[in-house]
Amino acid sequence: GQQLNQSPQSMFIQEGEDVSMNCTSSSIFNTWLWYKQDPGEGPVLLIALYKAGELTSNGRLTAQFGITRKDSFLNISASIPSDVGIYFCAGMGSGAGSYQLTFGKGTKLSVIP
Amino acid sequence: SQTIHQWPATLVQPVGSPLSLECTVEGTSNPNLYWYRQAAGRGLQLLFYSVGIGQISSEVPQNLSASRPQDRQFILSSKKLLLSDSGFYLCAWFTGYYGYTFGSGTRLTVV
Repeated sequence: GQQLNQSPQSMFIQEGEDVSMNCTSSSIFNTWLWYKQDPGEGPVLLIALYKAGELTSNGRLTAQFGITRKDSFLNISASIPSDVGIYFCAGMGSGAGSYQLTFGKGTKLSVIP
Repeated sequence: SQTIHQWPATLVQPVGSPLSLECTVEGTSNPNLYWYRQAAGRGLQLLFYSVGIGQISSEVPQNLSASRPQDRQFILSSKKLLLSDSGFYLCAWFTGYYGYTFGSGTRLTVV
């Protein structure tokens, strides 16, 4: 089945630093999504990407849909303590099974004040 | 408006006791619904999904079962809990263009 490789698994950074994480897949996806999970809560959608090559920003967050449609990255600029959490990438295909997302294993971000 | 509700938020149950977690959605019809488990704050493991009333697909055979008795209701159950059933359980609803909307989760501790 489809698998997403998300890296890094965890990061410890100083407040104010920039963060970069990425996902790669052996299969093509038509949509890439990035979620954030605060401790003890359900994941919440941060950014959705629908077109190969698309670069989308949401405040201090920037994400890109890779040209090959097999990868995506998420950048966070000038990190703050509330950025702490687990970030998940997810891919969504098309046709049969397009209602089911494939998730990466998550990047756990810790921000040191 | 479209919302998803999941309860209870936390649960402590003894080994061998039954389990029932409930998830309901509002503001939509015929939703695709999912149950995930997350261990130790890490990855999301898909347990069950349902595309309609009475239609359940199991991804991981284990001590749990799911049911879809009503269009907007999805229930996760167990007849006898094991210690290994402890974890964070999440219900999700496929909203189409924006992927999934997740419930707030249930922290289950089996003692």
